[in-house]
Amino acid sequence: QKEVEQNSGPLSVPEGAIASLNCTYSDRGSQSFFWYRQYSGKSPELIMSIYSNGDKEDGRFTAQLNKASQYVSLLIRDSQPSDSATYLCAVRATNAGKSTFGDGTTLTVKP
Amino acid sequence: EAGVTQFPSHSVIEKGQTVTLRCDPISGHDNLYWYRRVMGKEIKFLLHFVKESKQDESGMPNNRFLAERTGGTYSTLKVQPAELEDSGVYFCASSQGPGLGTDTQYFGPGTRLTVL
Repeated sequence: QKEVEQNSGPLSVPEGAIASLNCTYSDRGSQSFFWYRQYSGKSPELIMSIYSNGDKEDGRFTAQLNKASQYVSLLIRDSQPSDSATYLCAVRATNAGKSTFGDGTTLTVKP
Repeated sequence: EAGVTQFPSHSVIEKGQTVTLRCDPISGHDNLYWYRRVMGKEIKFLLHFVKESKQDESGMPNNRFLAERTGGTYSTLKVQPAELEDSGVYFCASSQGPGLGTDTQYFGPGTRLTVL
């Protein structure tokens, strides 16, 4: 079993729709959760971090965390073609800098 | 402010040769991380420097890989001798905080290594 699993994708949504990206993790000691966006051939870019159970909103992005279910998600509202990218879920333990990544989910937003 | 830079952007070498990758972190960032992504797999952690010291090298695959960060500034990752399975994209990241779970890690563009 992988330490961090993401919905396999690819995911395709029409422009203006909500894109939902999911991630589960196996290590209950994980305390910090991150979503990165990676355009093809570019570096991963942090778009959201979340540390407590519940929702965290930033513009069109909402991260949701449920530590009991070991589940973290990212919702992208009003999806735009520019959101087309690979989204990476990463987790860390509290006292560690090491990030453990999922395989990523490729999102395509169709105009 | 300049971001994390990596050199070279691409490297193609023959099996058995040596390659050295370089990473320049964001100025003032004490924490420097190396990750790599091999084809079809997830990004995997290799090691973490705090200044010039290796804080965590649990992800280094074997002794063909040597990472250094002399003076606590830029870092090099040497692969000697390179094997076919070393092909992939090597990412460097840096962070300013205490190197803990809540630090924001800024990633460089990566070095694509191809071993033939």
